[in-house]
Amino acid sequence: GENVEQHPSTLSVQEGDSAVIKCTYSDSASNYFPWYKQELGKGPQLIIDIRSNVGEKKDQRIAVTLNKTAKHFSLHITETQPEDSAVYFCAASPNSGYALNFGKGTSLLVTP
Amino acid sequence: GAVVSQHPSWVICKSGTSVKIECRSLDFQATTMFWYRQFPKQSLMLMATSNEGSKATYEQGVEKDKFLINHASLTLSTLTVTSAHPEDSSFYICSARDQGAGGFGETQYFGPGTRLLVL
Repeated sequence: GENVEQHPSTLSVQEGDSAVIKCTYSDSASNYFPWYKQELGKGPQLIIDIRSNVGEKKDQRIAVTLNKTAKHFSLHITETQPEDSAVYFCAASPNSGYALNFGKGTSLLVTP
Repeated sequence: GAVVSQHPSWVICKSGTSVKIECRSLDFQATTMFWYRQFPKQSLMLMATSNEGSKATYEQGVEKDKFLINHASLTLSTLTVTSAHPEDSSFYICSARDQGAGGFGETQYFGPGTRLLVL
């Protein structure tokens, strides 16, 4: 089955700096890669997603890059703000299965 | 974006009782919903896939007789934890797959979660 590895497990940055979270996956059939933000006590919120026919996608301060050959994808947050502090999860999914395989999460702390 | 609700948001029950959790897609129809469980400081673990009008598909290690899933309509799936025990205490989260126009079709939107505490 699919195995999604996520690094780092914790990340602390100063406000205004950039944050990068990296994930690798094992199943070459995976072609959908969403990123979720989860605040304490709440459900995950989709922040950006990408399909395998696209190498990069950007939405304001958030961008995701995908290297399908190397089977890794990354989340980039620029100009971080304290409200970006949360746990971020990457996930991978093949078309046929639809179920998401999650990474273990990255706890991001943005300090003022 | 698409909205998914869960009810209740938290529940405390005695050991041996059953608890029902509802998951609703509010502004879209979902033929497929998913149930996850999350322990503190851990990732989401898929428990089962709920398909409207058919039996749920359970992940390995998840007891189907203990975690009853009913997907009776295109907007509602329920998870019933039967004969709950303290080890069932967890954060239960559902998601619904939005197959509508504008999304990828695989996009899953999550509910706010239900925190279950079994005493």
